[in-house]
Amino acid sequence: GENVEQHPSTLSVQEGDSAVIKCTYSDSASNYFPWYKQELGKRPQLIIDIRSNVGEKKDQRIAVTLNKTAKHFSLHITETQPEDSAVYFCAASSTDSWGKLQFGSGTQVVVTP
Amino acid sequence: KAGVTQTPRYLIKTRGQQVTLSCSPISGHRSVSWYQQTPGQGLQFLFEYFSETQRNKGNFPGRFSGRQFSNSRSEMNVSTLELGDSALYLCASSLEGQPELLHNEQFFGPGTRLTVL
Repeated sequence: GENVEQHPSTLSVQEGDSAVIKCTYSDSASNYFPWYKQELGKRPQLIIDIRSNVGEKKDQRIAVTLNKTAKHFSLHITETQPEDSAVYFCAASSTDSWGKLQFGSGTQVVVTP
Repeated sequence: KAGVTQTPRYLIKTRGQQVTLSCSPISGHRSVSWYQQTPGQGLQFLFEYFSETQRNKGNFPGRFSGRQFSNSRSEMNVSTLELGDSALYLCASSLEGQPELLHNEQFFGPGTRLTVL
C-alpha cells in the first residue's frame, strides 16, 4: 500500500523567513496531495492541495510543488508569521482509494518572533 | 454551511467496555471517513462509508466497526476497549469520497478524545 514519509519532524524558523516541508510517496498511482494544518487542540484544516496534473499551486503565502517523477511534493510557506506555528501533515491518495488519505507523520513548525 | 460535528467530544472508559462515537457530516456530503490519531502512530485511516455502505477499510482489528445512516450521519463502535485505543478519533466528510476529483476535499470534525483507563 501507499507509504508517505515527511521531513523534517520539527522546524524552527524566525518570523519572516520561509519554511519548507517535504514529503515522498511510494504509490505511483497517487494523484491527489493535500496539506493539513493542525493547531494544538484543534481539528486538521485543509490549507492547500494539488492534483497530479499540476506541478505547482499557490495561495497567498503558501505554495505546493509536485514532482511526479521523483514521487515527492513540498509545502512552502513564505514570510512566516507566529500564527503559522502548528503541526503540518501531508497526505496522498489515489483513484478508487474511497475516502482514504494516507498521512505523513507531521512536522511541528515553530515560528519565533 | 455548518462544519463536521462529532459527539461526544471527550470520553473516559475502562478496559473491556465498548464505546460509540458519532459524526455528522457537512450538509450534502455523502462520504464519511474515520481516522485514529495518536502521538506514536499519527493519523491512521479506519474506514469509509458512502450511501450506508463501507467502501474501504484500514488495518484495524474487528473490534472497530462502523455504520452510516440514510442521512449520512455515521457512528463508529469500539468493543472490548484496550489501553492502546486511547486516541483522538476524527471523522472527515466529503461529497463523494473521491478526493482526486474536484470539490471532493475532506473536511475534518473536531474529534472525540477517548481515554481508556
